[in-house]
Amino acid sequence: QVQLQQSGPGLVKPSQTLSLTCAISGDSVSRNRASWNWIRQSPSRGLEWLGRTYYSSKWYNDYAVSVKSRMTINPDTSKNQFSLQLNSVTPEDTAVYYCARVSGEVDAFDIWGQGTMVTVSS
Amino acid sequence: QSVLTQPPSASGTPGQRVTISCSGSSSNIGINYVYWYQQLPGTAPKLLIYRNDQRPSGVPDRFSGSKSGTSASLAISGLRSEDEADYYCAAWDDSLSGLAVFGGGTQLTVL
Repeated sequence: QVQLQQSGPGLVKPSQTLSLTCAISGDSVSRNRASWNWIRQSPSRGLEWLGRTYYSSKWYNDYAVSVKSRMTINPDTSKNQFSLQLNSVTPEDTAVYYCARVSGEVDAFDIWGQGTMVTVSS
Repeated sequence: QSVLTQPPSASGTPGQRVTISCSGSSSNIGINYVYWYQQLPGTAPKLLIYRNDQRPSGVPDRFSGSKSGTSASLAISGLRSEDEADYYCAAWDDSLSGLAVFGGGTQLTVL
């Protein structure tokens, strides 16, 4: 049974960096035909896909245009997890952040983390 | 403002059939699969329909999906109280480097 377990702070100060980690059990971050994604949800922006990392002979990352200049997703094969870093946060980045898997078998976000409410406030 | 358009709310009585629409464009629904997610209060979204009309194991056959052109629909038959939730459509969008785009969500109330 595949599970994603998120961790990270729930409060970040404006202009600082938001960092979250998603630990994977029951699957591998480096297996083919899967991507590992970050999605956020807020009342003002709804569900918003932020980015993904995946392995296909080498590592690839894709980011939403809205966060591309501020965001980094890093896989960690030694811990079988992946992380999100979002720099220079503002109150607009306040949201529930989810990690999620896309498997090649269904091409959909079929496994989700539990969500982390992140508030950007001084 | 979400890329895909859904009605903000829908309702029905137990046993009824309800449908939820999702409208997109030629760069997303028009050329890619549609997915549907169910979100119960305080929980993460759950995959309900993938590739337009396929149900993951464990999803009751009361839930069905369809797609035509740049629009899609989710139908729920034999409505039950536990179906009360938010429903989101999603698709990959080829105009934005393969990004996933979502609808704004439809809050389903079982009267």
